[in-house]
Amino acid sequence: GAGVSQSPRYKVAKRGQDVALRCDPISGHVSLFWYQQALGQGPEFLTYFQNEAQLDKSGLPSDRFFAERPEGSVSTLKIQRTQQEDSAVYLCASSAKQQGTDTQYFGPGTRLTVL
Amino acid sequence: TQLLEQSPQFLSIQEGENLTVYCNSSSVFSSLQWYRQEPGEGPVLLVTVVTGGEVKKLKRLTFQFGDARKDSSLHITAAQPGDTGLYLCAGEDNYGQNFVFGPGTRLSVLP
Repeated sequence: GAGVSQSPRYKVAKRGQDVALRCDPISGHVSLFWYQQALGQGPEFLTYFQNEAQLDKSGLPSDRFFAERPEGSVSTLKIQRTQQEDSAVYLCASSAKQQGTDTQYFGPGTRLTVL
Repeated sequence: TQLLEQSPQFLSIQEGENLTVYCNSSSVFSSLQWYRQEPGEGPVLLVTVVTGGEVKKLKRLTFQFGDARKDSSLHITAAQPGDTGLYLCAGEDNYGQNFVFGPGTRLSVLP
């Protein structure tokens, strides 16, 4: 496809379960970002990859959150032992170049609900 | 920590009216972006402003970056129902590593 895709689009988890969220960026895009968007809020930065290197993970809220991009393309955001406060939309974005003023293209997001 | 505030939080207007929404910070940003986000979708970039005092126009939308690069405004002329959505501003942090988003202005244009 031409755009960023994310799967699943919706995920319901019981508290304490582990979840894995997938992002397929635009082919050839160097940079990949993960954001968390709580209801009624703007996206909050979680982590940033340049190719396979995770250059910034300062936004990850706890050590239960882990992201990887092993081959510099598809990325997975994993949340272990989910808590109710993890309920949010998780957005992935990619851009063609290294970060700067380059355009970020966002996927539709995965809406995670933790019961 | 660089923070962005947006006002108003909610705005409901009739088709044909004009409106302005604001994005403010106490911090200086290297650049600032405006996005529109519709329900169930990711944000879509509208414009990037880089220079203090810069004005950019996109059809009925006019974007201005403050002289001090701490604030920005978005003006919509003759709003249409298709303009309905969440308008987000995002400032590029001083390290050039990522963007800080504001909480957004939720606009509803009624026919």
